[in-house]
Amino acid sequence: DTGVSQNPRHKITKRGQNVTFRCDPISEHNRLYWYRQTLGQGPEFLTYFQNEAQLEKSRLLSDRFSAERPKGSFSTLEIQRTEQGDSAMYLCAGTSLLEAFFGQGTRLTVV
Amino acid sequence: DQQVKQNSPSLSVQEGRISILNCDYTNSMFDYFLWYKKYPAEGPTFLISISSIKDKNEDGRFTVFLNKSAKHLSLHIVPSQPGDSAVYFCAALSGVSSGSARQLTFGSGTQLTVLP
Repeated sequence: DTGVSQNPRHKITKRGQNVTFRCDPISEHNRLYWYRQTLGQGPEFLTYFQNEAQLEKSRLLSDRFSAERPKGSFSTLEIQRTEQGDSAMYLCAGTSLLEAFFGQGTRLTVV
Repeated sequence: DQQVKQNSPSLSVQEGRISILNCDYTNSMFDYFLWYKKYPAEGPTFLISISSIKDKNEDGRFTVFLNKSAKHLSLHIVPSQPGDSAVYFCAALSGVSSGSARQLTFGSGTQLTVLP
């Protein structure tokens, strides 16, 4: 148990709907990352926060995606107008050092 | 352009034998490397890491070797156990030595199966 929790674990949504995922790292994690993983691939970087500041966003993060980390604690990732290509495992990771500790992920299925 | 490559999608070894998982990278700015293990429906779990100033790091049954000139690293598991069966990801960081480390770049993973 890494102490990083993600909710929900699974989400099935219809194409065009909006979805929001939540990540709760442990309090010591000043950096928080979002990754996306599809079958047969390694996790792909989406965005990361240093405390509450969003410092970097991947070009994978289209304008339909938005992430927040209010007060530098939990984080949310919202996907608007979901598309079938958004189906993936969304992983959150927290760290205060170099090794990132991942939550169990949210499996999104867009039908 | 994949900066971290794991060219073997799968590997099978007999219980008790050595498992060797390989990883190649192209970005010479990477200065810290990590291995993660992932079971189905779970997030990756950190296993072991190595700084670019070292060529070997050992932790119990797990040893990571780094060959900077070849831009190659490997994870050795010995002896292999059935519980080691999982997907193993190699990952890399740049900017660690300058204090500006950012996101991990992952390879595509190798499915290890340890046969009893």
